[in-house]
Amino acid sequence: DAMVIQNPRYQVTQFGKPVTLSCSQTLNHNVMYWYQQKSSQAPKLLFHYYDKDFNNEADTPDNFQSRRPNTSFCFLDIRSPGLGDAAMYLCATSPRVGFNEKLFFGSGTQLSVL
Amino acid sequence: ILNVEQSPQSLHVQEGDSTNFTCSFPSSNFYALHWYRWETAKSPEALFVMTLNGDEKKKGRISATLNTKEGYSYLYIKGSQPEDSATYLCAFKAGNNRKLIWGLGTSLAVNP
Repeated sequence: DAMVIQNPRYQVTQFGKPVTLSCSQTLNHNVMYWYQQKSSQAPKLLFHYYDKDFNNEADTPDNFQSRRPNTSFCFLDIRSPGLGDAAMYLCATSPRVGFNEKLFFGSGTQLSVL
Repeated sequence: ILNVEQSPQSLHVQEGDSTNFTCSFPSSNFYALHWYRWETAKSPEALFVMTLNGDEKKKGRISATLNTKEGYSYLYIKGSQPEDSATYLCAFKAGNNRKLIWGLGTSLAVNP
């Protein structure tokens, strides 16, 4: 089945140690999103790619970077994780950016920072 | 500041009960309203994308209505089953902004 896959399911890193989360999709969708969801909070969009065009949200910290080497893969790099970066990170895709485009999600990576 | 509110925050029902919850959003500049179901340890799954005032959508025992003039959407589950236990998230898209604004979700637990 076509799907969005995130690895790993759980990631533990140390304070300040760079970490990379990965997302892959077999849907051939143009748009890929990274969301952060902290406990008891709403999902927060960090950035999205429309094809190769990178769109950063204004309030996304510089500590968060992303790469999309091809249509299928997208990575979230956290350069120096702090305790406040512990969260669920969700990757999602959509065919294009339009008002009626539903999102297809991965199952998320739960990041812990020690 | 765009704000999406969902109520109740959590809900416990017995198997067979019908239930409903609310998503409130800004009534101006409406573009679309999304509903997602997120079961524990699984991917959030789209239920409905609603765009027109008065829209009603149905998927099995789950249905949703939309009132864009007053800024709310209801999600109904008829005859709840344990497999309906999940967090139900709604998200609003304004016409001048491409990104979805998410609510905190309603956590539903259906007891067998």
